[in-house]
Amino acid sequence: GESVGLHLPTLSVQEGDNSIINCAYSNSASDYFIWYKQESGKGPQFIIDIRSNMDKRQGQRVTVLLNKTVKHLSLQIAATQPGDSAVYFCAGPPGNAGGTSYGKLTFGQGTILTVHP
Amino acid sequence: NAGVMQNPRHLVRRRGQEARLRCSPMKGHSHVYWYRQLPEEGLKFMVYLQKENIIDESGMPKERFSAEFPKEGPSILRIQQVVRGDSAAYFCASSPPRTGRFAGELFFGEGSRLTVL
Repeated sequence: GESVGLHLPTLSVQEGDNSIINCAYSNSASDYFIWYKQESGKGPQFIIDIRSNMDKRQGQRVTVLLNKTVKHLSLQIAATQPGDSAVYFCAGPPGNAGGTSYGKLTFGQGTILTVHP
Repeated sequence: NAGVMQNPRHLVRRRGQEARLRCSPMKGHSHVYWYRQLPEEGLKFMVYLQKENIIDESGMPKERFSAEFPKEGPSILRIQQVVRGDSAAYFCASSPPRTGRFAGELFFGEGSRLTVL
């Protein structure tokens, strides 16, 4: 079955540093991944997504890298700010699922990012 | 454009009572998803609904839990005879009609936090 998990539960960085959050998955058929940010007491917020036909995608201050060989993806946040402090989840739909399952996501455990001023 | 609205934000119930959680999707969105989040864990898919139809309820417990998305009004997640293990944050997400299996952005509400005494 599908499994999406995180290597480290917590990450502390200084303001201005770059942050790297990692995620491993088990299903080689997984073809789409999403990173979400969840601030305390709030719902998850979409950050960036990537399809398996890509190995890198960039957004504003964020980059997602996908390594299908080792089934690993990472979220890189440049110049981390205190407002980036949150829990970060990687998520993905079941591998080889039909079109009706696209909103059915499996979430990883999450990494708590703390940014110190 | 209002986001996904969930209410109540906090709900306290005693064991054996019923809990009703409501979700109004974003304007123009006809797909609704419910997720449950236990403390210190990622979100777990429960059910996917479209208007008057349950599309995928593979994540719903077999007993006591039900969901609906009527033609008019919000989606309702109903938990009968609550037990302490039902204490969690329940998140609703919505998306517009799509084709294909790549979810893109799911829009999450702020969640309803259920506490069972």
